[in-house]
Amino acid sequence: GENVGLHLPTLSVQEGDNSIINCAYSNSASDYFIWYKQESGKGPQFIIDIRSNMDKRQGQRVTVLLNKTVKHLSLQIAATQPGDSAVYFCAENIRRGRMDSSYKLIFGSGTRLLVRP
Amino acid sequence: DSGVTQTPKHLITATGQRVTLRCSPRSGDLSVYWYQQSLDQGLQFLIQYYNGEERAKGNILERFSAQQFPDLHSELNLSSLELGDSALYFCASSEDPPSDGGELFFGEGSRLTVL
Repeated sequence: GENVGLHLPTLSVQEGDNSIINCAYSNSASDYFIWYKQESGKGPQFIIDIRSNMDKRQGQRVTVLLNKTVKHLSLQIAATQPGDSAVYFCAENIRRGRMDSSYKLIFGSGTRLLVRP
Repeated sequence: DSGVTQTPKHLITATGQRVTLRCSPRSGDLSVYWYQQSLDQGLQFLIQYYNGEERAKGNILERFSAQQFPDLHSELNLSSLELGDSALYFCASSEDPPSDGGELFFGEGSRLTVL
């Protein structure tokens, strides 16, 4: 797949365990963050997002935590499944307002998640 | 299926050549984004168009250009190709203005190999 050659940090977890993927973002003015999942041979897919006025947001089996003090974002996946194996990217954006159609989503370098059966 | 269509899926060409990558956004989306994904640099933002106009620019080389047409499809033109331009090129689209979710919907990518 297209992701095989990427030189990424790798997290290996046992099926059924919880996974925590970490991300350090760069810009203290970033006000919106997204986690994307990219499976081999596919484009990135949205997982969950969070705004800077929140520190936690939960989805189905996923939780995103935001620590603005240290500019750190994490993605927690509960009961990790083989289908969760993929590369995970965090992304940050600085928005100047809801009606501003300029939108530059900057991606981190990614983490590869491997789920052991 | 994200609803974003990119062609071609694969393209092999030689150094010095010029190629055009095409993207059709999701129905109704006015914003189109181009990203480059290479082995050592992850996903790099290149450029955003909104309703035919350039809205945001990233680290796009002068040899590269893009445009969005009245029917909202977009093309990324890569010229004077170099070996280092080999990469996956992704197109994404979003609602306009980006919804509260701010989600970008990505296509499957165009893999460019420069020999």
